[in-house]
Amino acid sequence: GIQVEQSPPDLILQEGANSTLRCNFSDSVNNLQWFHQNPWGQLINLFYIPSGTKQNGRLSATTVATERYSLLYISSSQTTDSGVYFCAVLTFSGNTPLVFGKGTRLSVIA
Amino acid sequence: ETGVTQTPRHLVMGMTNKKSLKCEQHLGHNAMYWYKQSAKKPLELMFVYSLEERVENNSVPSRFSPECPNSSHLFLHLHTLQPEDSALYLCASSQRTGYEQYFGPGTRLTVT
Repeated sequence: GIQVEQSPPDLILQEGANSTLRCNFSDSVNNLQWFHQNPWGQLINLFYIPSGTKQNGRLSATTVATERYSLLYISSSQTTDSGVYFCAVLTFSGNTPLVFGKGTRLSVIA
Repeated sequence: ETGVTQTPRHLVMGMTNKKSLKCEQHLGHNAMYWYKQSAKKPLELMFVYSLEERVENNSVPSRFSPECPNSSHLFLHLHTLQPEDSALYLCASSQRTGYEQYFGPGTRLTVT
């Protein structure tokens, strides 16, 4: 099956710093989602981005489907950005559901 | 209520108990999913329902039994669980399978 790798696995930032999270996937995908899991376990949708670039406030994402990777940019990080960021992909094969990476655990320190 | 809701949020059960987890989506979606998140493991899909019919079952033990009575509700019936079944159980929905998924807040299950 498709493999999804995220890097780095852990990241510690000073408040106000910028960061880039990466997601590599091993096969063609139909779609890709980025999530933020807060400390209570809730998965919050950040982006639904099969290709191209999207921006939402301090967050932006770029997916280059032909090269099988996606990037999540966080600018001017805040302590509330802490948590785990997951990339998940949907493959082209019928009803195959989201395949998740292991996540990047982000800690933003004041 | 908006989005995807799950009840209960926390559940502690003994290995001989029977309990059910409930998920409700208020988004008008036609596909619903159960995922399991164990400590230090990626999220694992358990079941997929599309238009109330199960379309995928990822080799889940029979002690987990899903039920989808209509497109808005999804249940996970639990019986004779093992301590290793302790995990966060997440429900999700999407317009159709293959479309963007939206998750509920999860039920944190502890099996004693």
